[in-house]
Amino acid sequence: SAVISQKPSRDICQRGTSLTIQCQVDSQVTMMFWYRQQPGQSLTLIATANQGSEATYESGFVIDKFPISRPNLTFSTLTVSNMSPEDSSIYLCSVESGQGRTGELFFGEGSRLTVL
Amino acid sequence: QKEVEQNSGPLSVPEGAIASLNCTYSDRGSQSFFWYRQYSGKSPELIMFIYSNGDKEDGRFTAQLNKASQYVSLLIRDSQPSDSATYLCALWGSTLGRLYFGRGTQLTVWP
Repeated sequence: SAVISQKPSRDICQRGTSLTIQCQVDSQVTMMFWYRQQPGQSLTLIATANQGSEATYESGFVIDKFPISRPNLTFSTLTVSNMSPEDSSIYLCSVESGQGRTGELFFGEGSRLTVL
Repeated sequence: QKEVEQNSGPLSVPEGAIASLNCTYSDRGSQSFFWYRQYSGKSPELIMFIYSNGDKEDGRFTAQLNKASQYVSLLIRDSQPSDSATYLCALWGSTLGRLYFGRGTQLTVWP
């Protein structure tokens, strides 16, 4: 199993500011996934980050709002830009299990953001 | 159109009972089905996966898949208070191209 470290674990942010979330994995992985979980809602995929290429964003998410970096095979960052209260959510980094079965994910501990 | 629907819950069962969690899906091309457990304040963890029609048992957990009826369920036998969590159904298919999660069913097992 992969060990995924995320930071910050939680933060309170002011409207209009930006925050970068870091995700560190203890092994090399091809793809890293960023999810958002709003209160009472399902997990929603924001984007898939591949090392050496631009992240692939899901419908409703754009690079200007959620820029992602993937400088190597063990690390990624997600920035939430120009935050508004609607961005208050838990953001989760995840990777596949490596057992060759798509959909088997390990998740980081999550970053709980509150935007005032 | 929601790809994954779960019984809304919350579901409350006494200790020792069978908890039944259900999930229906819309895409007939879905190929892989997963159950994740999420304790309050924690991240989801995979507890079961199933790919073929029928039942798959792992300890007190049984996943059931019926592709013709497009539903997948999770049975928890001899429920324990430590099973109290939100259970997320998820599925993947090549036509979907990504993993879809349901909204989750909150389960409470009371002593």
